[in-house]
Amino acid sequence: GAGVSQSPRYKVAKRGQDVALRCDPISGHVSLFWYQQALGQGPEFLTYFQNEAQLDKSGLPSDRFFAERPEGSVSTLKIQRTQQEDSAVYLCASSRDRGKYEQYFGPGTRLTVT
Amino acid sequence: AQTVTQSQPEMSVQEAETVTLSCTYDTSENNYYLFWYKQPPSRQMILVIRQEAYKQQNATENRFSVNFQKAAKSFSLKISDSQLGDTAMYFCAFMTIQGAQKLVFGQGTRLTINP
Repeated sequence: GAGVSQSPRYKVAKRGQDVALRCDPISGHVSLFWYQQALGQGPEFLTYFQNEAQLDKSGLPSDRFFAERPEGSVSTLKIQRTQQEDSAVYLCASSRDRGKYEQYFGPGTRLTVT
Repeated sequence: AQTVTQSQPEMSVQEAETVTLSCTYDTSENNYYLFWYKQPPSRQMILVIRQEAYKQQNATENRFSVNFQKAAKSFSLKISDSQLGDTAMYFCAFMTIQGAQKLVFGQGTRLTINP
């Protein structure tokens, strides 16, 4: 079946612009995660949804970052007033449920803030 | 908070050789999961192998195996008979059983398999 998809794959934003990044998880997957991966680093956790409920947003770096998953499927990560330090690859992952289930990753959105 | 450390930023071996990637972690929890993920150039991250902390037996997946030393908090990945397609970034990751079950990643090791 289809894997996790993300759009756009690449986004260039001028400093101060708002951006919205979309994640389509694998159909039926309950859990959805957002990670931020800086160049040459490992991904870092941003936020977690179980269905439509955002249960953990402890990794969001500032109040400029906002995520939603209103119907428990597609999720959007929004960054307001982008800054240069927001430049990174944003990865989305989904898993069937809580527990030891594998997290399946999307291809990521590479955000460059100029 | 949990931390994961990969002390080898880059490694390079010849095709068909065996290579071992190192990973150490820090946690106060007794039950957790450990993973190795592979991220090929410009491609998606995929799971290589998983280990449950309560299992003493080391996990194996074809040419991939781990050496899990719980007391030492060490979790190394051995790749046997390495292939050109194994060239990728490899990330060690930790996951708690409680809470959000987010992955905590190490900094990664860039592995190059040379023909």
